[in-house]
This record gives sequence, C-alpha cells and structure tokens, in this order.
Amino acid sequence: DVKVTQSSRYLVKRTGEKVFLECVQDMDHENMFWYRQDPGLGLRLIYFSYDVKMKEKGDIPEGYSVSREKKERFSLILESASTNQTSMYLCASSLGNMNTEAFFGQGTRLTVV
Amino acid sequence: SQQGEEDPQALSIQEGENATMNCSYKTSINNLQWYRQNSGRGLVHLILIRSNEREKHSGRLRVTLDTSKKSSSLLITASRAADTASYFCATASKTSYDKVIFGPGTSLSVIP
Repeated sequence: DVKVTQSSRYLVKRTGEKVFLECVQDMDHENMFWYRQDPGLGLRLIYFSYDVKMKEKGDIPEGYSVSREKKERFSLILESASTNQTSMYLCASSLGNMNTEAFFGQGTRLTVV
Repeated sequence: SQQGEEDPQALSIQEGENATMNCSYKTSINNLQWYRQNSGRGLVHLILIRSNEREKHSGRLRVTLDTSKKSSSLLITASRAADTASYFCATASKTSYDKVIFGPGTSLSVIP
C-alpha cells in the first residue's frame, strides 16, 4: 500500500513563527502536492512538484514556499505564520505521466494564534 | 479558479436509496477522479475515468463522463450509513505536469 505520511496531525503555532510541514511518500512517486482545505472552499492547491528540486505554484501560493530536496519528501514552509493560515493542510502524491490517482496523507490541522 | 464544481453541495438520503452527485469542469482534461473524505481525515481515491471513457463501475459506484458537456456524475447505489462523507471530483488538466484540481465537494449524509 502507498503511504503518505505527514509529520504532525495537529499543530499550534504563534503568529510570526516559521512553520515547517513535512510530507513523506514511500512509493517513488514523481508528483507531490500541498493543498489547504477550508470549509466551503474545498481543497485549494498551494504548490506542487513534479521532480526533485522542481516546483510549480498552485492557486494560492502567497505566504508559502516549498522544498523538495529528495524525491520522497516535500516540505511546505510558512515563512511567517499568520492567523489566516489556520487551516487543514493535506499532502498528496501521484505517479505522474498521466497516471494521476493521488494518495493523501492524514492531514495536518494547523492553528495559528 | 475552480476546475471542478460539484452539485449539490449537500445531500441527505435514507439508507438503501441511491445517491447521485454531479461535477462540472471548465477546461479540457486528461481524466477525472472521484474521492471520498470522512470527517477530519485525508481523501481516499474512489475511481478514475479517462477522457476517452464514458462510463466506469466499481462495486456500488458508477461514474459517467460527458466531455461534450464537461460534466461527470457519481452514482452510489444502495447507500449505507458508512457512505456518509464528503465527495470530491478532481480533474487533471491537459496543461503540464498532471496538476490535480479539486472541486468544493458534496457532503452526503446517509440516514440509517
């Protein structure tokens, strides 16, 4: 079974802190994604990566950055957390090459106070 | 902008009834997928239908795709209380890198 693991299930951070959300997948997938999910807005794509050291902006990249130094790991960084970044963050991976079934982690519920 | 939009936003049915959810999208796609999310959890992939397919079945799930209308439907037959969840359609567009975009979802409640 494909496993996508997010480093934390719940996280509470203070405004202005630098926050790292880590995601690891164990199936050698090419593509990895970070989404945030808010009530009434569904899943919105923040960033995705199709290869090591490669990244593409999604629909809402402002306030976020990402890092993909190894194929299995994709990190989401909040440079200076703000209260409007309180949300559920979901990481996903897919094989790519038009085989785009995405496998999701369990989610990280981030609260910024 | 949202690629996929589900309809209705919320649906409540009795156990044993069928549930139908619809998804519309805007641009050309490689494929369309449906996912389920139980409360507070990650999403689970249900079914993928390619742009050259019109219908696909998986157990109690039936998905149709009409590329001329840019729409898809998910039918869950003989619903169970355990089907209570949010359902999302997702499209992989024909732009680069198989970016997967989700709609806002349909919240399904199956009443025992």
